[in-house]
Amino acid sequence: QVQLVQSGTEVKKPGASVKVSCKASGYASRSYGIHWVRQAPGQRLEWMGWIDVGSGDRKISEKFQDRVTVTWDTSASTAYMELSSLRSEDTAVYYCGREIYHSGTLDYWGQGILVTVSS
Amino acid sequence: QTVVTQEPSLTVSPGGTVTLTCASSTGAVTSDYHPNWFQQKPGQAPRSLIYSTSNKRSWTPARFSGSLLGGKAALTLAGVQPEDEADYYCLLLYGGAWFFGGGTKVTVL
Repeated sequence: QVQLVQSGTEVKKPGASVKVSCKASGYASRSYGIHWVRQAPGQRLEWMGWIDVGSGDRKISEKFQDRVTVTWDTSASTAYMELSSLRSEDTAVYYCGREIYHSGTLDYWGQGILVTVSS
Repeated sequence: QTVVTQEPSLTVSPGGTVTLTCASSTGAVTSDYHPNWFQQKPGQAPRSLIYSTSNKRSWTPARFSGSLLGGKAALTLAGVQPEDEADYYCLLLYGGAWFFGGGTKVTVL
């Protein structure tokens, strides 16, 4: 079955960067994209960006354009999201989600990674 | 920046019916916005319920339905069960970007 498995909890200092991963399995086709969504404590879900694992096309939310990089490692079937210049407001759970065939929806989600930014 | 607005909270009795709505600051929500609805319970990842306005997942209970209502996307829960108590988020696609609503906390009481 389709699974997205994310890496573990991270604790970072302000100004540092964090790189989180999302390993995809259970789906042979490469006609899908991986989206990154975060949720600060008690806050709404917030879309950060997306990468098409087949073509490498990507789009980042305007809010994060200067701080977020999304990549895909084909050999590891793993997506990565790097967030730089961390500040306390970046403390959140970071989720990855799968979009197949540019369907405009996320059918499967990872379990989430808690990233804590604290001095 | 597009702002997506949902009711902050709604309360419904078991067996009752409740409708959640999702509005966009850009104007009337249409099928072109590909409205999605997700359910999230405490400590869990969101779970997709509805996509492209009204399409259900294989795991979506029949009591959940999606529609467009008065210029908004809507999620209706008919015959609410105690396990439906959760946060519900809508998602709209606009201008190549994705925008989540603020979420509606549904309490079953």
